[in-house]
Amino acid sequence: GQQLNQSPQSMFIQEGEDVSMNCTSSSIFNTWLWYKQDPGEGPVLLIALYKAGELTSNGRLTAQFGITRKDSFLNISASIPSDVGIYFCAGRLIQGAQKLVFGQGTRLTINP
Amino acid sequence: DAGVIQSPRHEVTEMGQEVTLRCKPISGHNSLFWYRQTMMRGLELLIYFNNNVPIDDSGMPEDRFSAKMPNASFSTLKIQPSEPRDSAVYFCASSLAWTGGGYTFGSGTRLTVV
Repeated sequence: GQQLNQSPQSMFIQEGEDVSMNCTSSSIFNTWLWYKQDPGEGPVLLIALYKAGELTSNGRLTAQFGITRKDSFLNISASIPSDVGIYFCAGRLIQGAQKLVFGQGTRLTINP
Repeated sequence: DAGVIQSPRHEVTEMGQEVTLRCKPISGHNSLFWYRQTMMRGLELLIYFNNNVPIDDSGMPEDRFSAKMPNASFSTLKIQPSEPRDSAVYFCASSLAWTGGGYTFGSGTRLTVV
């Protein structure tokens, strides 16, 4: 099936550092979504992107829908301990289609 | 809204037993998804429903797995008989179909088959 390549798989950073992660695919996506999963919980939607080139912020989080429509990145500025968790990208291949394809996740660990 | 509600949160069962996982989607959402999460395979879509009708069950691993959605506010995922390799976290998610938005996930059911 379709795959999203998410990198890095894990990150170990110091509190206050900026974080960057991305997803790429060989296929064109019409929607990109970024989720965060806390331990013992389900993924929670952070940011949704709907147009190529779109840049959207949610507090300290910024995400972009790549111009080629085959990639997306998520940046977190000035990380804090509660940013710890697993971040997933997800994409929708066909506009309006229900199925989302998920990346393998980026596990973020923060040293205080 | 209480969000997507799954039960039980944890289930430990013996190999060969029947397991039933339950999900109540967000009121008004008309699409429902069952996912399985493991370290090795990440998030895998098992099946999804639109307006209570199964649309795509290609992710259901084998005949031991079945899912139903008898009405708009309830769905079950059943494994019979269960095997140790079924141990995983099972998530239910719901959304409004065709709006292009994301899913809302439940807190999951952690299944351990011993």
